Amino acid sequence: NFMLTQPHSMSESPGKTVTISCTGSGGSIASNYVQWYQQRPGSAPTTVIYDYHQRPSGVPDRFSGSIDTSSNSASLTISGLKTDDEADYYCQSYDNTFVIFGGGTKLTVL
Amino acid sequence: QVQLQESGPGLVKPSETLSLTCTVSGGSINSVYWNWIRQPPGKGLEWIGYVSDSGSAKYNPSLKSRVTISLDTSNKQFSLKMTSVTAADTAVYFCAGSLTNYYDYWGRGTLVTVSS
Repeated sequence: NFMLTQPHSMSESPGKTVTISCTGSGGSIASNYVQWYQQRPGSAPTTVIYDYHQRPSGVPDRFSGSIDTSSNSASLTISGLKTDDEADYYCQSYDNTFVIFGGGTKLTVL
Repeated sequence: QVQLQESGPGLVKPSETLSLTCTVSGGSINSVYWNWIRQPPGKGLEWIGYVSDSGSAKYNPSLKSRVTISLDTSNKQFSLKMTSVTAADTAVYFCAGSLTNYYDYWGRGTLVTVSS
């Protein structure tokens, strides 16, 4: 089975840049698109990146996505960090057409 | 602007059936995959399954034997039924709609607690 692994937590200062990884195992990260969701406490998730690097309308270009086949991973990079970016971030892809999520990364901005 | 609203009991007894409904407003129910996703307290997201606008469904293999997702186009609703629930099914249940590869629409989520 294909699985996605994320770091449990990360922290960075306002104004800096952070990159959250999502590493695939049991298959190739390039086989299916990867999406990224932001979830603030007590709220539903929202999409920040889809199809590896596309941004939905309204998502600032401080958010970017990429894929690295050599490490079999996808990444979400947030530049110019704001305190409002403090949230849980989840990557999502597919295992044989079934939806799977990574375990989530808690991002602290302080 | 499409809005989703989950409804259903917040407390279910062990071994009974969990039933939730998601009502779609502000847009069409066509051409969208309607999903259920859950999140146990303090944990990550788990996809439960979806129903397409034609009524065909796909489920998470780990839950498939206990789950049914159905569509009521006339009332613009879709529903989740999960049988034989245990405490491990305690979670916030989200309904969500996807046009393509990501979830365009989300409900606010509803907490369902399994307890006697």
